[in-house]
Amino acid sequence: DGGITQSPKYLFRKEGQNVTLSCEQNLNHDAMYWYRQDPGQGLRLIYYSQIVNDFQKGDIAEGYSVSREKKESFPLTVTSAQKNPTAFYLCASRSELLNYGYTFGSGTRLTVV
Amino acid sequence: QKEVEQDPGPLSVPEGAIVSLNCTYSNSAFQYFMWYRQYSRKGPELLMYTYSSGNKEDGRFTAQVDKSSKYISLFIRDSQPSDSATYLCAMSGSNYQLIWGAGTKLIIKP
Repeated sequence: DGGITQSPKYLFRKEGQNVTLSCEQNLNHDAMYWYRQDPGQGLRLIYYSQIVNDFQKGDIAEGYSVSREKKESFPLTVTSAQKNPTAFYLCASRSELLNYGYTFGSGTRLTVV
Repeated sequence: QKEVEQDPGPLSVPEGAIVSLNCTYSNSAFQYFMWYRQYSRKGPELLMYTYSSGNKEDGRFTAQVDKSSKYISLFIRDSQPSDSATYLCAMSGSNYQLIWGAGTKLIIKP
């Protein structure tokens, strides 16, 4: 079945450490997105990519970095510069053939310890 | 003021009731309107999609868009305990970048 796979499901980060969240899709979608979700705040856009080797900052990009070397993969690195990284991170993709309807992964819960 | 306003709830109703969930928005350029359902610790899933104004029905779910009032609604008939989830509205203009509401937590009591 086609879909988006995020890993790991749970991740613990020590202070000052960089961590990378994985996002892989086999839907052949061109556009991919990373969101952060905090309680009561909905989804906030971190980064998005509409094509391989190109990506754009979203509303809250500070302290995060991404790469898009392959169409299927869009990893997110949470750097030590992100001072409050504890949150639920969601990866999504969208087909250029559809004007709507993002497909989401199951998310990664990141906790600072 | 946020571009999309949505009451976070929680909204608690008895099983079998009709549920009304709503969002208001300020950007008149929005033309694509969506409702997503999110179960706890899961990713959101697309529930309903509407282009421009009007109604759309799918089983027990009806989505309404009133662009003149900048107001969208999701109605759930014969609500079930399995409908308990967070419902997020989302909308976009021609760039397809979604703007999200905060989500409303819905609880259906058996």
